[in-house]
Amino acid sequence: ELKVEQNPLFLSMQEGKNYTIYCNYSTTSDRLYWYRQDPGKSLESLFVLLSNGAVKQEGRLMASLDTKARLSTLHITAAVHDLSATYFCAVEMERVGGSQGNLIFGKGTKLSVKP
Amino acid sequence: NAGVTQTPKFRILKIGQSMTLQCTQDMNHNYMYWYRQDPGMGLKLIYYSVGAGITDKGEVPNGYNVSRSTTEDFPLRLELAAPSQTSVYFCASSYLISSNQPQHFGDGTRLSIL
Repeated sequence: ELKVEQNPLFLSMQEGKNYTIYCNYSTTSDRLYWYRQDPGKSLESLFVLLSNGAVKQEGRLMASLDTKARLSTLHITAAVHDLSATYFCAVEMERVGGSQGNLIFGKGTKLSVKP
Repeated sequence: NAGVTQTPKFRILKIGQSMTLQCTQDMNHNYMYWYRQDPGMGLKLIYYSVGAGITDKGEVPNGYNVSRSTTEDFPLRLELAAPSQTSVYFCASSYLISSNQPQHFGDGTRLSIL
């Protein structure tokens, strides 16, 4: 059974600081996704990571994937208040006969960036 | 471009009532999914569909049913509502898995069973 664990679950940061959110998963998968969710809103796709060593960056966020370690990181550089949200990683389940896109989500990391 | 549209946005049901949550997408996506999100938790897959006429169970299918008669629509049915089904329900869709695109989510339906 595929399990996805994120840590920390809660993160309070000061503006301008750097921090990393970790996403560990328990079985083989080559596809990992990061989503952002604002309170009461839907999920917004941030990054799609499709292979070992993949690194993607958008603004102050950078995501990486190490499939051998079954680990993805979401690094926040010089945090700003607008980054306050809950961040989810989701791992695509591998199935016999090919993936059908089923995602297993972590519990999310609630990020609060304070002045 | 509307994307994934869910209706209703909010609903309160009594125990034992039934209802259908509607989901439609206008992106011609083959794959569609229903998730539920409980407070402070990630999303859990209820059912999914890889195309019209084809559906399959996810992690937490008990108490729900789905159908997929068209590419655009993927309704979720609750037959006998129970308090444990109080949750936020999200519908999502994606193109072919080989396209390496993320799932696109609707705005959610907030459902309370009292």
